[in-house]
Amino acid sequence: ENVLTQSPGTLSLSPGERATLSCRASQSVSSTYVAWYQHKPGQAPRLLIYGVSSRATGIPERFSGSGSGTDFTLTISRLEPEDFAVYYCQQYGSSPLTFGRGTKVEIK
Amino acid sequence: EVQLVESGGGLVQPGGSLRLSCAASGFTFSTYNMNWVRQAPGKGLEWVSYISDSSSSIYYADSVKGRFTISRDNDKNSLYLQMNSLGAEDTAVYYCARDMAVAPYTYWYFDLWGRGILVTVSS
Repeated sequence: ENVLTQSPGTLSLSPGERATLSCRASQSVSSTYVAWYQHKPGQAPRLLIYGVSSRATGIPERFSGSGSGTDFTLTISRLEPEDFAVYYCQQYGSSPLTFGRGTKVEIK
Repeated sequence: EVQLVESGGGLVQPGGSLRLSCAASGFTFSTYNMNWVRQAPGKGLEWVSYISDSSSSIYYADSVKGRFTISRDNDKNSLYLQMNSLGAEDTAVYYCARDMAVAPYTYWYFDLWGRGILVTVSS
C-alpha cells in the first residue's frame, strides 16, 4: 500500500502566519488523486482539498494544495483562529486508499 | 441539515460482536456511495469499507475482511457495519463518510463525515 508520511507532526504558529504542511508518499500517486482534510476534536472531519489543488465547497481561499508524484503540500496562507486543528492527507490513486497520520497545527 | 450520525459503539470483549449504524439526513442517501473509516488511538485514519448506492459493490480493507460486513437500507437512510471477532486492534473511533460523487460515479474522497463513535475492545 502507498504509505503517506506527514511532516511535521506538530506545527506551532501564531494567527496570521503561514502554515506549510507536507505529505510524502512511498509510491508515486496516480494523476492528481490527493485530498486534504481538517479535523477538530469532537467534530466531523472536513474535506478541504481534492484533486491535489481543488478547494471543496465553502473552503476559504487561504487554503491551497499543490504537488505531484510523491510530494504534496497544503498551505494555509494566513492562519485564522479557527484553523488550529489536525490536518490529514489522503491518496486515492491506488488501492487501498490511505491517509497520513496527520499534522497538528497548534497555537504558539 | 445535511449530516451523518453514528451510533452503536461501546465496550465489547475480545472475540465479541458489535453493529454500528449511521443515520443520514438532509440529502438523498440512496444516490451516494458510502464508507466506514476508523481512527485507532494515537494513529491516523484508516479506510475500512465501501458500499455502492445500490449495494452492488462492496469492498473491505484487508484488516477487516471476513470479519466485518457493511450494509445499507436506503428506505431507512441508514448505513451499517456488523463487526465480528473483534480484537484489541479494532479499538477505534469509527466514522461513516460519504463519497463526494453522486452514483454511479465514485471519487474515493469524502465530503461529509459523521462525528464518529468509539468502539473499545477490552476484557
